Parts: sequence; C-alpha cells; structure tokens
Amino acid sequence: GENVEQHPSTLSVQEGDSAVIKCTYSDSASNYFPWYKQELGKGPQLIIDIRSNVGEKKDQRIAVTLNKTAKHFSLHITETQPEDSAVYFCAALTTSGTYKYIFGTGTRLKVLA
Amino acid sequence: KAGVTQTPRYLIKTRGQQVTLSCSPISGHRSVSWYQQTPGQGLQFLFEYFSETQRNKGNFPGRFSGRQFSNSRSEMNVSTLELGDSALYLCASSLGTVSYNEQFFGPGTRLTVL
Repeated sequence: GENVEQHPSTLSVQEGDSAVIKCTYSDSASNYFPWYKQELGKGPQLIIDIRSNVGEKKDQRIAVTLNKTAKHFSLHITETQPEDSAVYFCAALTTSGTYKYIFGTGTRLKVLA
Repeated sequence: KAGVTQTPRYLIKTRGQQVTLSCSPISGHRSVSWYQQTPGQGLQFLFEYFSETQRNKGNFPGRFSGRQFSNSRSEMNVSTLELGDSALYLCASSLGTVSYNEQFFGPGTRLTVL
C-alpha cells in the first residue's frame, strides 16, 4: 500500500543552526505534499506545502524541496529558534483510488538554546 | 475567523461502550476528514465527508462510522470500544474535497478506553 517514510525520528540542533527533515513517498501519483508542525496538546498546523509541478518553495526561514523522480521531499528550517521545537509531520496526498493523506511518522525537533 | 473546534477535548470510556465525537469545521468549509493519531501508528486516515456524503474511507473496521450534517458539522462514532481505540482523534476541514484543498486541523479529542 501507499506509505511515507520520514527521517530522522528525533533531531536536536543548537539554536541558530539549520534542521533538515526528509520524507520518501511510494505513490508516484501523489501530487501535493504538506508539512505540519504539532505542538504539545494541539492539532497539526500546516506550515508549508508544495505541489508536484514545483521543485522548491520558501517561506521566510522554512523551505521545502521536492524531487519527483526520486520521490523525495524535504523540509529545511534555517536559523532555528527554541519555538521551532515541536513534532513535524510530512504528508503526501495519494490519488490512487481513494484520495487521502498518508502521513510520515513524525520528527521530534528539539532546538537547544 | 474561528478555527476547527472539537468536542469534547477529553473522554474516558470503558471497553464495550460507544462514543460520539463532534467536529465543527471552519466557517465556509464543506469537507471534514477524521484521523486517528497514536504513538505507534502515527496519523491514520479514517474517512472524509463532503456535502453530507462520505467521499473516502480508510482501512478501519465498521465500528468506526461518521456523518456530516447540512451545516458541515461532523460526528464520528465508535461502537464496542476496544483498548486499542485509545488515541487522539483529529478532524480537519477543507474548503472543498481534500483532493484539491489544504486542510486545517482541530485540537483533537483525547479518548482513553479503560
């Protein structure tokens, strides 16, 4: 079945450093890839997304890249701050049969002050 | 604009009981999707409702059901609860069906089955 692999599961960085989270998807028909940030006690919040016709998208300190050939997409956070600490999920919208989001297993990011 | 709201936020039930969770989408949004989030399985898709019709369904047993009302509010029901149903249940709303629109999550309902 469709799946999304996400790495690493935990990531600790020093404040000001960059963080990179990587995901690989299996359904080549997937065409939309959102990233969510989930803080304790809250639901996931959309932070950036990318569609399959775009290779890269940037929003201030956050960027996402997509390699359709390799079925990889990555989240890049630059100049990390303590408030970036949270669990980050990648997802892929699968369009084979049922339209649904397949989520990665999450990355717990800790930004050390 | 108010976000997605879910009630109740916390719920404790015992095995064999049934439970109903409620989700109110963002005003104007017509699609509501439900997810189960557990530490072991992550976020798993349950079903999506659009204009009172179930559009898509995940791989969950028939004990999990849902419905959507004409005002787009949605309810999810789980019958004959099992210990493994303990999870955070999230709903997400979209302007249209998930196939074309980004979705926004509510804070979730934490269900504990004893």
